[in-house]
Amino acid sequence: QVQLQESGPGLVKPSETLSLTCTVSSDSISSYYWSWIRQPPGKRLEWIGYIHYSGSTDYNPSLKSRVTISVDTSKNQFSLRLSSVTAADTAVYYCARGRTISIFDPPLFDYWGQGTLVTVSS
Amino acid sequence: DIQMTQSPSSLSASVGDRVTFTCRASQSIRNYLNWYQYKPGKAPKLLIYSASSLQSGVPSRFSGSGSGTDFTLTISSLQPEDFATYYCQQSYSAPYTFGQGTNLEIK
Repeated sequence: QVQLQESGPGLVKPSETLSLTCTVSSDSISSYYWSWIRQPPGKRLEWIGYIHYSGSTDYNPSLKSRVTISVDTSKNQFSLRLSSVTAADTAVYYCARGRTISIFDPPLFDYWGQGTLVTVSS
Repeated sequence: DIQMTQSPSSLSASVGDRVTFTCRASQSIRNYLNWYQYKPGKAPKLLIYSASSLQSGVPSRFSGSGSGTDFTLTISSLQPEDFATYYCQQSYSAPYTFGQGTNLEIK
């Protein structure tokens, strides 16, 4: 059973950079897509972006200028960096595995971590 | 962005009931529609993908249907562990968007 676990600071100051890591167990990160998704309090889930094991990325246009997703195959981890955060970035952040039905299809998210709450506050 | 709208926002039902949730997309997404179950403190769980395909390990009382803009998730006979929040999500085009969720409560 694939397991994903988010880790990182639970509190980030405004204007600083949020950094989270997702550790993948029982699966190789050298396959699939690896994604970040968040849910601000009282709002719906929002897809942040993904990285394919080949290194290609795709980001939500609403966050693209501030987001970087990277992968460390040696540690079986992938990471999120979100710069210049504000209170609006306060959310539960989830990492998820994306798989495709065919090579022509976008990924669907078949395994998720439990999520980690990140609060942006001074 | 494609807007996903779920109805109802909440639903009360009893063990053994048959329940149906609805998800509507703001434009056609063919069959690129997925359903997830969420329980607080746990990882969201994929139930149905491609509108009607049952994810491995998910009980057969869950089923999905629809195409284009209108989709449904049905639980044929509610079990105690099914009380949770259900989200739909389109994987037709980026940014991949979610519905606001339907909270299924015990009556």
